[in-house]
Amino acid sequence: DSGVTQTPKHLITATGQRVTLRCSPRSGDLSVYWYQQSLDQGLQFLIQYYNGEERAKGNILERFSAQQFPDLHSELNLSSLELGDSALYFCASSVDLGVTYEQYFGPGTRLTVT
Amino acid sequence: AQTVTQSQPEMSVQEAETVTLSCTYDTSESDYYLFWYKQPPSRQMILVIRQEAYKQQNATENRFSVNFQKAAKSFSLKISDSQLGDAAMYFCAYRITTGANSKLTFGKGITLSVRP
Repeated sequence: DSGVTQTPKHLITATGQRVTLRCSPRSGDLSVYWYQQSLDQGLQFLIQYYNGEERAKGNILERFSAQQFPDLHSELNLSSLELGDSALYFCASSVDLGVTYEQYFGPGTRLTVT
Repeated sequence: AQTVTQSQPEMSVQEAETVTLSCTYDTSESDYYLFWYKQPPSRQMILVIRQEAYKQQNATENRFSVNFQKAAKSFSLKISDSQLGDAAMYFCAYRITTGANSKLTFGKGITLSVRP
């Protein structure tokens, strides 16, 4: 158990809908990262937050957004869902900006868009 | 842009034998980290081993060791005395050590099966 929690574990929804994925980092970790794992694209970095502020963006679609709250938990919002958004979404956390410390991954949320 | 390449999609090893998983990467940075992550059927991403580019000594963690060749930009993982529990997907990953963006860049992964 990495100490990073993600809810829900599984999510099934229809095209066009909007969902919210939630992540709680390890106690004391200030950085949260979101990654997407799909068959087509592999594991891709989406976005990073540090202590409530957006720090870096990767291949995140405009339909997707994220935020990190004062209690350091983070949410990833996916809207106007398409079949291609079906993937495993991971959250990871690290103590600092991640330069010197490992990122610890949560168990992931499996999103299925039908 | 940094890229990580794992050219072997699948490998198989006999239990108790040794297997080496290959990884190459491309970067213009001089200092960075390299990682191997394991993803078992549970889908949890588990850090196996880490290597700092400035260190010449290869990292080892119990049965897992790496062969880091900085000039060749090669980073292979050796698993000794393979166990059934080693069966998983293995990802090679890269991260820079400076700057604001500490994202991990992953290879496509390799599926390792262990034969009893």
